[in-house]
Amino acid sequence: QQQVKQSPQSLIVQKGGISIINCAYENTAFDYFPWYQQFPGKGPALLIAIRPDVSEKKEGRFTISFNKSAKQFSLHIMDSQPGDSATYFCAASKGSGGSNYKLTFGKGTLLTVNP
Amino acid sequence: GAVVSQHPSWVICKSGTSVKIECRSLDFQATTMFWYRQFPKQSLMLMATSNEGSKATYEQGVEKDKFLINHASLTLSTLTVTSAHPEDSSFYICSASDRGTQYFGPGTRLTVL
Repeated sequence: QQQVKQSPQSLIVQKGGISIINCAYENTAFDYFPWYQQFPGKGPALLIAIRPDVSEKKEGRFTISFNKSAKQFSLHIMDSQPGDSATYFCAASKGSGGSNYKLTFGKGTLLTVNP
Repeated sequence: GAVVSQHPSWVICKSGTSVKIECRSLDFQATTMFWYRQFPKQSLMLMATSNEGSKATYEQGVEKDKFLINHASLTLSTLTVTSAHPEDSSFYICSASDRGTQYFGPGTRLTVL
């Protein structure tokens, strides 16, 4: 049972465009939603994260939009650059305040930004 | 801050040998570390959760006698792949939890011949 569904599987965007990746979750106990960026042969790097008490969080060109009622959250990359080409994973976990909780990952989105 | 290192970054071994992978949190203490496995073009698969000073908790389907995990200190966890076989070849990634946020290491590429 896949608890976090991520789409699209792959995405091609022109330089300067907006990249949008969507995730939907099933478990209403999830209360922490991070996005990770992974380059080939490297470990995932935390990009941005949100908790359900806010509907949007912005850090530079990266924005998370969160819709609690729809159980959906999305990553928007503004002014996409070729250096943003990577695989992006959404994730979710429950049990905020503790360190011993597991991340449930989406299947990933391969983003290609054409120059 | 929140840097996690792994060693080695890649390893090639013969079938039947054991391989140890180290995961260190460099600038924070991590009571909990996680070990993942990733196949090409796939998502991360959690293998086990490692708590300092106690036995690791393995995910369903992961052989605990095959993948030995030790978390002896707040900054070090090790994964030992025992009697490795070609099907164990994969990208192994650890993460360390800092106040609820997981930070990942750079990964270890294991190739078993």
